[in-house]
Amino acid sequence: EAQVTQNPRYLITVTGKKLTVTCSQNMNHEYMSWYRQDPGLGLRQIYYSMNVEVTDKGDVPEGYKVSRKEKRNFPLILESPSPNQTSLYFCASSFSGDRFFGPGTRLTVL
Amino acid sequence: GENVEQHPSTLSVQEGDSAVIKCTYSDSASNYFPWYKQELGKRPQLIIDIRSNVGEKKDQRIAVTLNKTAKHFSLHITETQPEDSAVYFCAASPSSSGNTGKLIFGQGTTLQVKP
Repeated sequence: EAQVTQNPRYLITVTGKKLTVTCSQNMNHEYMSWYRQDPGLGLRQIYYSMNVEVTDKGDVPEGYKVSRKEKRNFPLILESPSPNQTSLYFCASSFSGDRFFGPGTRLTVL
Repeated sequence: GENVEQHPSTLSVQEGDSAVIKCTYSDSASNYFPWYKQELGKRPQLIIDIRSNVGEKKDQRIAVTLNKTAKHFSLHITETQPEDSAVYFCAASPSSSGNTGKLIFGQGTTLQVKP
């Protein structure tokens, strides 16, 4: 079954404690991206990757890092989380146009 | 910078009526315009998209229109049903394939269809 998976699905953490949200896709898509969803603001792109070892900033990259060492994985790293990073995060992959979204990760930073 | 404005933010219609959601974009290079539906607690899913070389596209009860001169595009849902209730997002991308780094989303429209 074609899918995008994210882990964890829910996470409560404290300010400053480094965390990683994993994203994996099994469709051999070259393009992957991360979004955060906040009420009234829609989906805002954090980072994207056009292929292995190729990443670029989206609209709200501050406080986040990504890596793309293999085609199927695109982890999102928060080196020092802060409360303003409390949000719902979606990973997505795409081959041509249609973005397949993961199930989402709800992150709370206290 | 690039921006997509979406209106209205909330829309309530009676079952069977039509619903229209409008978006405007700022980047004239944009030429791929998808629409996503997000049901409560679920992930966004593509429902229809349009590329800049066409002015209208239909898929059963859903249609999208594009006016490149005015830089706006709209989603039309006819004969609405309760299961159409969801949040709808428009988006714009500066690539005809949509397979680019950039996809700018609108703020979302919460559609409520009353039985």
